[in-house]
This record gives sequence, structure tokens and C-alpha cells, in this order.
Amino acid sequence: AQSVTQLDSQVPVFEEAPVELRCNYSSSVSVYLFWYVQYPNQGLQLLLKYLSGSTLVKGINGFEAEFNKSQTSFHLRKPSVHISDTAEYFCAYLETSGSRLTFGEGTQLTVNP
Amino acid sequence: NAGVTQTPKFQVLKTGQSMTLQCAQDMNHEYMSWYRQDPGMGLRLIHYSVGAGITDQGEVPNGYNVSRSTTEDFPLRLLSAAPSQTSVYFCASSRGGTGTKTQYFGPGTRLLVL
Repeated sequence: AQSVTQLDSQVPVFEEAPVELRCNYSSSVSVYLFWYVQYPNQGLQLLLKYLSGSTLVKGINGFEAEFNKSQTSFHLRKPSVHISDTAEYFCAYLETSGSRLTFGEGTQLTVNP
Repeated sequence: NAGVTQTPKFQVLKTGQSMTLQCAQDMNHEYMSWYRQDPGMGLRLIHYSVGAGITDQGEVPNGYNVSRSTTEDFPLRLLSAAPSQTSVYFCASSRGGTGTKTQYFGPGTRLLVL
């Protein structure tokens, strides 16, 4: 079955530390991959996406992710986090021939001073 | 552009009541979707539409109805509310075909069913 797994439900880090949020997917067909962010009491907004081309994707707010087809992963990274990065982060995939976006369970990133 | 708008922002219902959650977008997007968000479960797709007059079921469609009579609007109807439908509901839209594949989300509707 197709699925997305976010390996950590909560990630606490200190301000200015690096962070990696892990995402693995399972699909028998080609997919597009996304990371969305949800700030408290708000809707979701797109951080970055992989559609094709370079496997290293840069997004907003200094985040980047690397698509690894052999490991079926799409981990999100930031070299130095800020308090304002505290939010819930969702990994998602879309089959290239489909229209249904499938989300992981989410990772709560908490940045402490 | 207002983007994706949802009304109401909050709603309290009693078990058995019905209601309609409204969703509208002004970006002329073909695709529209409804999700529910519950703690620890991410977002789960309820229903979606690939164009006016076309709808299909998602992962958790039971207890919900949708219709798409115009490109702009995609209302979600709760037929007989149950406490298990207490959740936050998000509407989203995106371009179809060879578009950017980015989904744009509304601010959400918080629903409490007593």
C-alpha cells in the first residue's frame, strides 16, 4: 500500500542548532514529494517540493530537502533554526498520474531558546 | 486574490444535527479537496473534485457529502453529525493537468460535536 511515514512525532532542538526531520515513503509508482508547514492555529503552507530534476530542493525560510529514490526518503533539513520555526511539519506525496495528496502524521518541531 | 476561504471558523453542533462547511477559491483551480486533521493522524482526505460536476471519495468519506456545481465552490455537508466528526477541517485547491501540483489551503474550520 502507498504510504508516507514521518519517523519522529516530536523534535525538540535549541535555537541555532541544525535540524533534520525524516520522511520515508512507500509507492510502487512515481511520485512528487512535498513538505508543508503549519503554524499554530493556521492552515498549511508549502515549504518546498520535488517534482523532477535536481534531487536537492531548496524552499522558503532556509529549509532544504533531498530526494533519495533508492532509500525512498525525502528528509527536511535546516542548518540553523530559529524560535519562529516552531511549527508542525508534514511530508506528503502525490502520484505523478494522480490527484490525491497523501500526508504523513506530522512532526512537531519545537525550538527552545 | 483571497485564495481559499472557509466558513465558519468555529462551529458547535449537537449529535444528529446537519450542517454545511463552505469553501471557495478565486484562483480558477480545477482541483479541490477536503481534509480532516486529528492529533497524531496528519491530514486525511475526505472527498475531492477534479473539476466542476466531478467528485470522488477519499480515505474517510463516510458521513460526508460533497458537490461541485461551480469551479469556485466546494461545500462539505455533514448529514447527521457524530462526536467522531469533531475535528479541524481544511479545504485545499490546486491547478490540474500539468500545473505546479502545489495545494493551497484555507484557514480551517474547527468543529465540535457534542
